Amino acid sequence: AQTVTQSQPEMSVQEAETVTLSCTYDTSENNYYLFWYKQPPSRQMILVIRQEAYKQQNATENRFSVNFQKAAKSFSLKISDSQLGDTAMYFCAFMPSTSGTYKYIFGTGTRLKVLA
Amino acid sequence: DAGVTQSPTHLIKTRGQHVTLRCSPISGHKSVSWYQQVLGQGPQFIFQYYEKEERGRGNFPDRFSARQFPNYSSELNVNALLLGDSALYLCASSLGVRTGNEQFFGPGTRLTVL
Repeated sequence: AQTVTQSQPEMSVQEAETVTLSCTYDTSENNYYLFWYKQPPSRQMILVIRQEAYKQQNATENRFSVNFQKAAKSFSLKISDSQLGDTAMYFCAFMPSTSGTYKYIFGTGTRLKVLA
Repeated sequence: DAGVTQSPTHLIKTRGQHVTLRCSPISGHKSVSWYQQVLGQGPQFIFQYYEKEERGRGNFPDRFSARQFPNYSSELNVNALLLGDSALYLCASSLGVRTGNEQFFGPGTRLTVL
């Protein structure tokens, strides 16, 4: 079974500091996509960053970057210069490519609080 | 451009009742997916529709059904509601059904079953 594990239920970080959220996944596939989504208290999920498994280079979007370790099946999210607006639930998600259904498999989430 | 819209925002039902949740995708998007998010957990996949045909179904009982209309909007129906059906129901739309297609989420419908 394909699963996504986020082992940190809650984290906090001081404003302007850096924080890393962990994610591991289990799959036998070779091609797939990985995503980090942010769900602020207003509930709407927003894509933060996306990584294609066949690309070795780690994805970066402004203050957000990932550390993708394919062999270890690890996909962590680093947030630099944390801002109060980064306070949210963060979900790691996996999208397999061979099932014929392009669905997300989500982890249980990490609640991040940025402290002033 | 309008994002994904869902209605109603909140809904309270009693056990055994039936509920219909509605979703309008982003203009131009032909695929709609439904997810259930129980409090404290990540979203769980329920259904995916593309061009009005079911493309995938998650591990949910037959009490859950859905359909997609010619304008690509979608309905999720749940019969014989149970307390455990209380959750946030998320709709997500995408251009198509290809690996890596980003899905854009709506604000969700909060269903409470008493």
